[in-house]
Amino acid sequence: QVQLQQWGAGLLKPSETLSLTCAVYGESLSGFYWSWIRQTPERGLEWIGDMSAAGSTKSTASLKSRVTLSVDTSKNEFSLRLNSVTAADTAMYYCARGVGWGSISAWFDPWGQGTPVIVSS
Amino acid sequence: DIQMTQSPSSLSTSVGDRVTITCRASQTINTYLNWYQQKPGGAPKVLIYTASSLQTGVPPRFSGSGSGTEFTLTITSLQPDDFATYYCQQSYIAPYTFGQGTKLEI
Repeated sequence: QVQLQQWGAGLLKPSETLSLTCAVYGESLSGFYWSWIRQTPERGLEWIGDMSAAGSTKSTASLKSRVTLSVDTSKNEFSLRLNSVTAADTAMYYCARGVGWGSISAWFDPWGQGTPVIVSS
Repeated sequence: DIQMTQSPSSLSTSVGDRVTITCRASQTINTYLNWYQQKPGGAPKVLIYTASSLQTGVPPRFSGSGSGTEFTLTITSLQPDDFATYYCQQSYIAPYTFGQGTKLEI
């Protein structure tokens, strides 16, 4: 059974960098795309981006300039960095495995437990 | 980006009811449409993928249909465990986008 466990700093000040990591258990990173998704009451669920074990990445245009996605195959982990955060980046952040074919994450399963991130001065 | 619109936003229901939730895409997405269930404090869980395929372990009272731009999630004989929020999500093209959710209330 595949399980994702995520962690990272939950309280940030404006302009700081959000850093989250997701460890994958029971599955190799190879053969899948690994996503980050965030959720707020106002904007709902928002896909941030994904990455493959080979390092291929894509991300949503509105965040692309601030997002860094990376993988560590030796640890079977993948990470998200979002720089220059503002209050608008306050959200619950989830990691998830993309199940699909080629570079398409056709659906997300499973998801990590979520990490609440608050950006406040 | 493809916009996903769900209706209704909320629904007052009862155990045993048949429920239908609709999701519309702003452009055709073939059958690249998934349905998730989210309970308070938890992460979303996939119920239906590629419009009509039932995820392993999901009860058969859940079913999905549709193609192109209009899709439905149907729950026959609602159970107490089904009171949750449901989201549709398109995977036709990145950025993958979600509907705003439909909350089933008792």
